[in-house]
Formats: sequence, C-alpha cells, structure tokens
Amino acid sequence: EPEVTQTPSHQVTQMGQEVILRCVPISNHLYFYWYRQILGQKVEFLVSFYNNEISEKSEIFDDQFSVERPDGSNFTLKIRSTKLEDSAMYFCASKEILYEQYFGPGTRLTVT
Amino acid sequence: EDKVVQSPLSLVVHEGDTVTLNCSYEVTNFRSLLWYKQEKKAPTFLFMLTSSGIEKKSGRLSSILDKKELFSILNITATQTGDSAIYLCAHGQGAQKLVFGQGTRLTINP
Repeated sequence: EPEVTQTPSHQVTQMGQEVILRCVPISNHLYFYWYRQILGQKVEFLVSFYNNEISEKSEIFDDQFSVERPDGSNFTLKIRSTKLEDSAMYFCASKEILYEQYFGPGTRLTVT
Repeated sequence: EDKVVQSPLSLVVHEGDTVTLNCSYEVTNFRSLLWYKQEKKAPTFLFMLTSSGIEKKSGRLSSILDKKELFSILNITATQTGDSAIYLCAHGQGAQKLVFGQGTRLTINP
C-alpha cells in the first residue's frame, strides 16, 4: 500500500541553524501539507501546497519557514534559523482531490 | 476561527468494554469530519463523515455525525489492547487544512 515517507526520523540541531525536513508524498496525490505537534499538544496546521504554490498557511508559518517541491517526488520544509520553540514532531501529509489526508511517520526535531 | 473539542481527554477501560469518544465542532463552513488513530507516530485514517455520509462502520469501530447538534462520536465495541492509542478528530475544509481537536488518550487494560 502506498505511503507517505519522511526523513530523517529524528533531527537534532542547535538554535540558529537551518534544517530541512524531507517528505515523499504518495505519487498520485495533488495536495501536500505540513503539520507540527509540540509534545503533549494538538496537531497544528502549518501550510498547504498545491500546483507548485502555497495555497494556505497558518500564523505559525512565518518568514523563517519555507516549502518547496524541488522535483516530482519530494516535498521539503525548511526552517531557516531554528528556535527552541520549534522543537516538535513535524508531519507531512498528502491527499487526492476529494479524499482524506494521509500522514507520514513524522520527523522529531529537537532544537538545543 | 474553527474549533474542534474532544472529550474525554483520557479514558481507561478494561478489554472487552465498549467506549464512546466525543467530538464537538464549531466551524464557519462545514465540509467533513475525520477521525484518526495515533499510536506511536503518524495519525492513521479511520473515517471521514460528510453531509452525504453521516454514519460509517468498519469492524468494531463505528462513527456517526450529527450536523444539527454539531458533534460526532466514535464507538469502539469489544475493545482490545491494540485499540490503545490517541484518537484524533478533525474538521477538514475541503482541499485545505485539517483542524484537529486535542485528542482522547484511550488505554485498554487487559
């Protein structure tokens, strides 16, 4: 069964460093998303991406965040200058037009 | 701002019991209500309920949507230890974001 994959599974970085989180969505899906979940809190929407552009972003998704689909398969989330409060589990998700979103296993980001 | 509230936040039952998890929502333009199960990491899809599909069932799990009263329930009968997880409810705004509730942590004791 096709699935969303994410790498790495765990990333440790120092405050102020740039990180890139990678996702490979399901191949025939058209919509791509990033969410984050701070430990013990809700899953929160960050950004949605369709037709090679951002279709919606949350207040969390400020100028330090960016997304890219550099080729036909990868979907990346870049955090330019990480802060302690960026420590969270980051989930990528994808979907076809009408159906449910499928989530990847997540990348645990730890900022020290 | 759309809001999804789940209750209870935590529930502990014995294997074999039946459980009912609740999800209420306040949204400006209802599209769909989704249930996910989160074990160790990724939320895995259970059900999607819409105006045209207000009741879903799969094995021991079932869910209904009450659009008038703005809530949904997830029912699990004859619970097993493998049902232990966090159950997430979310409002889906068409092709766009999911707005999640805080989740119900369900623990099934043998």
